[in-house]
Amino acid sequence: RKEVEQDPGPFNVPEGATVAFNCTYSNSASQSFFWYRQDCRKEPKLLMSVYSSGNEDGRFTAQLNRASQYISLLIRDSKLSDSATYLCVVTRSGGANNLFFGTGTRLTVIP
Amino acid sequence: GAGVSQSPSNKVTEKGKDVELRCDPISGHTALYWYRQSLGQGLEFLIYFQGNSAPDKSGLPSDRFSAERTGGSVSTLTIQRTQQEDSAVYLCASSVGLRGQFFGPGTRLTVL
Repeated sequence: RKEVEQDPGPFNVPEGATVAFNCTYSNSASQSFFWYRQDCRKEPKLLMSVYSSGNEDGRFTAQLNRASQYISLLIRDSKLSDSATYLCVVTRSGGANNLFFGTGTRLTVIP
Repeated sequence: GAGVSQSPSNKVTEKGKDVELRCDPISGHTALYWYRQSLGQGLEFLIYFQGNSAPDKSGLPSDRFSAERTGGSVSTLTIQRTQQEDSAVYLCASSVGLRGQFFGPGTRLTVL
């Protein structure tokens, strides 16, 4: 089983819509969680950390469910500029390579 | 502040040649990662440096690939006897603690 799994999409939504992505992780010892966005032919950029209590940054809301081992990203009032691939990242302490990326969910916001 | 920088931004080489890719991490970041990404694919982990510990080389695809990190800062990824399947974007990222990684803009390698 992969450390981190995401629905690859694509998600095609109209402008103004609300869209949500989930990401599941396999290791219960996972400690830190992040969402990144990656635009076509660009490097991934850190979008937001995900905290246990859930956190919000403008139109973006991230939540963590440790019992079910998933994190989610909710985007409200989608903009054309939100079109990108969203990557889920999970870290855990111990071991060498302690950071695991999902393969990403592709979002296209349509005018 | 300064982010992660990588050079060159683009590299075109002939099959069989050696290439060196450079990464300057964010100052103070103890962890440094190399990944590669082919068009439309996910990130493929290559190697990870953490402070003075021995690097995790488990992602290197063959012994033609090697990397160094000098003085806990700058890192160089070397690919010997390049093959066409080595063509990809090579991304470097740095981080500190369990905080998120910050990526450089990548080096686009094309092997003819």
